[in-house]
Amino acid sequence: DAKTTQPPSMDCAEGRAANLPCNHSTISGNEYVYWYRQIHSQGPQYIIHGLKNNETNEMASLIITEDRKSSTLILPHATLRDTAVYYCIVRVESGGSNYKLTFGKGTLLTVNP
Amino acid sequence: SAVISQKPSRDICQRGTSLTIQCQVDSQVTMMFWYRQQPGQSLTLIATANQGSEATYESGFVIDKFPISRPNLTFSTLTVSNMSPEDSSIYLCSVVVTFYEQYFGPGTRLTVT
Repeated sequence: DAKTTQPPSMDCAEGRAANLPCNHSTISGNEYVYWYRQIHSQGPQYIIHGLKNNETNEMASLIITEDRKSSTLILPHATLRDTAVYYCIVRVESGGSNYKLTFGKGTLLTVNP
Repeated sequence: SAVISQKPSRDICQRGTSLTIQCQVDSQVTMMFWYRQQPGQSLTLIATANQGSEATYESGFVIDKFPISRPNLTFSTLTVSNMSPEDSSIYLCSVVVTFYEQYFGPGTRLTVT
């Protein structure tokens, strides 16, 4: 089962920041938080990942709380093309050096003009 | 990143037949995964396919129904056997490029009539 909880949907105005929350209260100390998005049933697109510290790349910022029980993905200037389902995932070790990503239901972000 | 291609991109098959889906990566990768996405649903992990070992299947998926081959570090196949309409889904392969980076292919859209 997915270890994350996300709101089913959110709206955002074009040009504004989109802040997508995620709860992962059962996360273990060495488990990473990953964010992907999926547009129109295309393959999921990697956005960002983090362990403890806040992370930023060209697409987004990831803010992880100090207790690591929740995180927020920030799209600083949302555009219409950012309309997608956003998945917050806790990467779980599955034995040896293997791991797996278990997808939850995600958040449908709709960016409005 | 990695460039992942899947063949076929879509197919319509008759009940009781089998379809083999190919996944090709432009670089050598150790870990490869197969996911299923049923209509309107999130992604579900079918199995992990590491080169040099038998595929590891998730609960609810069996080798007789979804046999997987992984002959080398750039290629894998997933066969959907004895298909029924319930197998109508998008099937996606996914690869781990580095310890942190996992990417998804474009998917194969399967319709079973």
